Amino acid sequence: QKEVEQNSGPLSVPEGAIASLNCTYSDRVSQSFFWYRQYSGKSPELIMSIYSNGDKEDGRFTAQLNKASQYVSLLIRDSQPSDSATYLCAVGGFQKLVFGTGTRLLVSP
Amino acid sequence: EAGVAQSPRYKIIEKRQSVAFWCNPISGHATLYWYQQILGQGPKLLIQFQNNGVVDDSQLPKDRFSAERLKGVDSTLKIQPAKLEDSAVYLCASSRGTSGRQETQYFGPGTRLLVL
Repeated sequence: QKEVEQNSGPLSVPEGAIASLNCTYSDRVSQSFFWYRQYSGKSPELIMSIYSNGDKEDGRFTAQLNKASQYVSLLIRDSQPSDSATYLCAVGGFQKLVFGTGTRLLVSP
Repeated sequence: EAGVAQSPRYKIIEKRQSVAFWCNPISGHATLYWYQQILGQGPKLLIQFQNNGVVDDSQLPKDRFSAERLKGVDSTLKIQPAKLEDSAVYLCASSRGTSGRQETQYFGPGTRLLVL
């Protein structure tokens, strides 16, 4: 079992729709959770961080964390073509951050 | 605030040659990370420094890779000799503090290495 699992996609959604990206992790003692966006040929950039169970909203983005189910998700409302990228889930334990392989999102006009 | 700086941006070498990458983290950031990202995969941590000490180098192929952060600021990652499978993007990242819980990491633009 991989430490951090994501569906590689691509996830295709029309412009204006909600995109839902999911991530599961294996280490029960994980404490910190991050979503990074990576455009092709670019480096990852942070979108959201979440540390407690529940939802965290920032503009069009909502991160959801369920530690009991070892599951974290990212919702993107009103998806735009500029949101087309690979979304990396990263899970942190003590001193170590592990990245998933990423989900490729395609938003069509 | 200036971001993480890396150089060179691109490097092409032949197998068995050596190569070095340089990283300058965000000013004041205590922790520095080197990642390897192979096409289609997520970044894989190679080594993590806290100030000038190594916190984690468990995934660093020590027979060919080395890294240093002598004064607790900038860092160099070296590969000698390079293999074809080392072709990847090498990302440097930094984070502010030294807490046990992972803090936000800020990435540099990366160095794209092609080994022929």
